[in-house]
Amino acid sequence: EPEVTQTPSHQVTQMGQEVILRCVPISNHLYFYWYRQILGQKVEFLVSFYNNEISEKSEIFDDQFSVERPDGSNFTLKIRSTKLEDSAMYFCASSDLQGNNQPQHFGDGTRLSIL
Amino acid sequence: GNSVTQMEGPVTLSEEAFLTINCTYTATGYPSLFWYVQYPGEGLQLLLKATKADDKGSNKGFEATYRKETTSFHLEKGSVQVSDSAVYFCALRSNTGNQFYFGTGTSLTVIP
Repeated sequence: EPEVTQTPSHQVTQMGQEVILRCVPISNHLYFYWYRQILGQKVEFLVSFYNNEISEKSEIFDDQFSVERPDGSNFTLKIRSTKLEDSAMYFCASSDLQGNNQPQHFGDGTRLSIL
Repeated sequence: GNSVTQMEGPVTLSEEAFLTINCTYTATGYPSLFWYVQYPGEGLQLLLKATKADDKGSNKGFEATYRKETTSFHLEKGSVQVSDSAVYFCALRSNTGNQFYFGTGTSLTVIP
């Protein structure tokens, strides 16, 4: 069964550094998402992306964050100047159709640790 | 607004016990409801879904019924196995946006 893959599985970065989290969505999917889960807290929506632009973003997704689909397969999340509170598990997801009854397919996540 | 509240964990059960994990929601419009499961070291996997009131989602022996009158979507399984040990997330997707709203997750451990 096709999967969403994320790399790396664990990223350790010094505070203030830039980090790029990578995702390869399922190949025929058109809608892409990033979520994060701070340890012990809810999974929170960050951003959705369709047709090469952001379609929706949360209050968490401020100017520090950006997303890109640099080629036909990758979908990246960049955090420009990391803070301690950015430490979390980051999940990428994709779906093939619009509509609230469509599930999103999630990757295994990247654990980001900011020192 | 939209939100999901689910039962606090962790939950520990003996094999073959009955499982209920409570989930209630608040939503604008007509949401779809989902249960996702996260096995150790893995990502979120769709377990089941229900898209309208009174629908029952089922998969792998798990069931949940979309109850509009009580705004609930409780997860049940009649006889759990050790392999069901995982974290279970209740989620909703409203008809007014793309994002999912998740509960905090409930950790289940099944002991032989």
